[in-house]
Amino acid sequence: EPEVTQTPSHQVTQMGQEVILRCVPISNHLYFYWYRQILGQKVEFLVSFYNNEISEKSEIFDDQFSVERPDGSNFTLKIRSTKLEDSAMYFCASSISGGAWETQYFGPGTRLLVL
Amino acid sequence: DQQVKQNSPSLSVQEGRISILNCDYTNSMFDYFLWYKKYPAEGPTFLISISSIKDKNEDGRFTVFLNKSAKHLSLHIVPSQPGDSAVYFCAASGAAGGATNKLIFGTGTLLAVQP
Repeated sequence: EPEVTQTPSHQVTQMGQEVILRCVPISNHLYFYWYRQILGQKVEFLVSFYNNEISEKSEIFDDQFSVERPDGSNFTLKIRSTKLEDSAMYFCASSISGGAWETQYFGPGTRLLVL
Repeated sequence: DQQVKQNSPSLSVQEGRISILNCDYTNSMFDYFLWYKKYPAEGPTFLISISSIKDKNEDGRFTVFLNKSAKHLSLHIVPSQPGDSAVYFCAASGAAGGATNKLIFGTGTLLAVQP
């Protein structure tokens, strides 16, 4: 069964450093998402991406964040200058279409720890 | 943002009995409601969904009930199995007239099925 994959599974970084989280969505999916879950809190939407453009972003997704589809398979989330509060589990997801009824399939997550 | 709430952080049931997980929401504009299951160190896995125009959807051992007037939904698992032990997230999508497909999650309920 096709699945969303994410690398790395864990990342430790120093405050102020840049990190890039990588995702390979399911191959025939056209919509891509990033969510995050701070320890003990809800899973929160960050951004959705379609046709090489951001289609929606949350208030969390400020200028420190960016997303890119650098090639036909990868989807990345970049945090330019990490802060302590960026420590969280980051989930990538993908769906075939962008309809509200469309199931979003999640990857296993990248645990980011900012020291 | 308290649009989707799961008021029970945990639930313990005996194997073979019914598990009932509850979820409340405040935004009457949501079009779809979904349940995801999450094991430790894995991403959320889609379980079952329901459109806002329906009041019940069934898939094997899993049934979701929607009460729009009460803004309440529930997930029934019958019979419960030890492998069902996981965190269950309620999520909603499709607010703003379908202009968005971001998922809004509840805080989750940890289900423990005792053998």
